[in-house]
Amino acid sequence: NAGVTQTPKFRILKIGQSMTLQCTQDMNHNYMYWYRQDPGMGLKLIYYSVGAGITDKGEVPNGYNVSRSTTEDFPLRLELAAPSQTSVYFCASSYSKEQYFGPGTRLTVT
Amino acid sequence: AQTVTQSQPEMSVQEAETVTLSCTYDTSENNYYLFWYKQPPSRQMILVIRQEAYKQQNATENRFSVNFQKAAKSFSLKISDSQLGDTAMYFCAFMKDGNKLVFGAGTILRVKS
Repeated sequence: NAGVTQTPKFRILKIGQSMTLQCTQDMNHNYMYWYRQDPGMGLKLIYYSVGAGITDKGEVPNGYNVSRSTTEDFPLRLELAAPSQTSVYFCASSYSKEQYFGPGTRLTVT
Repeated sequence: AQTVTQSQPEMSVQEAETVTLSCTYDTSENNYYLFWYKQPPSRQMILVIRQEAYKQQNATENRFSVNFQKAAKSFSLKISDSQLGDTAMYFCAFMKDGNKLVFGAGTILRVKS
């Protein structure tokens, strides 16, 4: 039981490039989430999903897209990367109130 | 909009002593959940303790306990018998509709030997 896994762990992007952050959970959780954590700050919700085929915006969705075709996977797509998207990205999942977090992806856009 | 405020950017405590981290929140809801998360240097987010707003009894998990004051919208975390492994960033979080978490800015806790 691996829990929530994220790939890659680290990535450096050039301005204008695109990439997909992968997130997979093996706990059969319906809810999945993407957060970003800027230096010295708390996490902010980007997008979330309450089940396969259903996604919705969180607090800071601009510049990102998501899809949820299966229960297990919830990829986050960055189009036209900008320096403001330099952050640590966390994926999480839950079936009730407790959220289980992945190890995070550190993304730098230069 | 719900907000979570942690007024202590940094705290330090001697090993084996007790420390309290503060958190206040703002909401008009009556039923909600509150959490404390720990983020050590590894950056893994670890749930420390949770409190349901409808429960009057304060939650306790081993050396960790909370002081939940619903009317004052206050949710402090007390760590007893502090250990070096408690050194981390601690986040207070409020759960709103749809299981969405709103986090405070965090408090860095340093446990000194």
